[in-house]
Amino acid sequence: ETGVTQTPRHLVMGMTNKKSLKCEQHLGHNAMYWYKQSAKKPLELMFVYNFKEQTENNSVPSRFSPECPNSSHLFLHLHTLQPEDSALYLCASSQAGGGNTIYFGEGSWLTVV
Amino acid sequence: TQLLEQSPQFLSIQEGENLTVYCNSSSVFSSLQWYRQEPGEGPVLLVTVVTGGEVKKLKRLTFQFGDARKDSSLHITAAQPGDTGLYLCAGAAYNFNKFYFGSGTKLNVKP
Repeated sequence: ETGVTQTPRHLVMGMTNKKSLKCEQHLGHNAMYWYKQSAKKPLELMFVYNFKEQTENNSVPSRFSPECPNSSHLFLHLHTLQPEDSALYLCASSQAGGGNTIYFGEGSWLTVV
Repeated sequence: TQLLEQSPQFLSIQEGENLTVYCNSSSVFSSLQWYRQEPGEGPVLLVTVVTGGEVKKLKRLTFQFGDARKDSSLHITAAQPGDTGLYLCAGAAYNFNKFYFGSGTKLNVKP
């Protein structure tokens, strides 16, 4: 139990579907992140939220739409994805500011068919 | 190019052997974390090292932060099959919450 919970753990969706990934952290952190991890690739940062405000969008296609209603919750809305978007999506949290530690959720395995 | 270079990328050893994984950079970090990740799961934090030259031990795992806070090593003594996984290092920036990840070391310990 890392204090960061992701749901669903596994998701299969068609290219025309709309689905959402959910993340909740119980660590009292004020920064949350979405990462993408594909086979044979390093972790790719997608989005960063500090105090509910998006502070980084790493050139992510608009078919991925994040939402951060409060410092404890983070969503990733998925719409008209491509098969190459199939990957492990990781949510993480930390305190904002330098020198902190980042904690990851268990991940959501996404398969786009 | 990766800010943090991990080596080796792959390591396959027999149970009982020792190994060392390296995480190197030309940049200075406020702190450095090591994670272990199993397939289909999220990275699990093993340790955070903060002080230059710091050594931390976690059972058979020994972590060291370089004196200049640019590099780190993870040494595993008498590896076991349960140590199998992807080991990731991450450097934390000083002034803002930015983390730089290595590409990982995939360790396979054969019984």
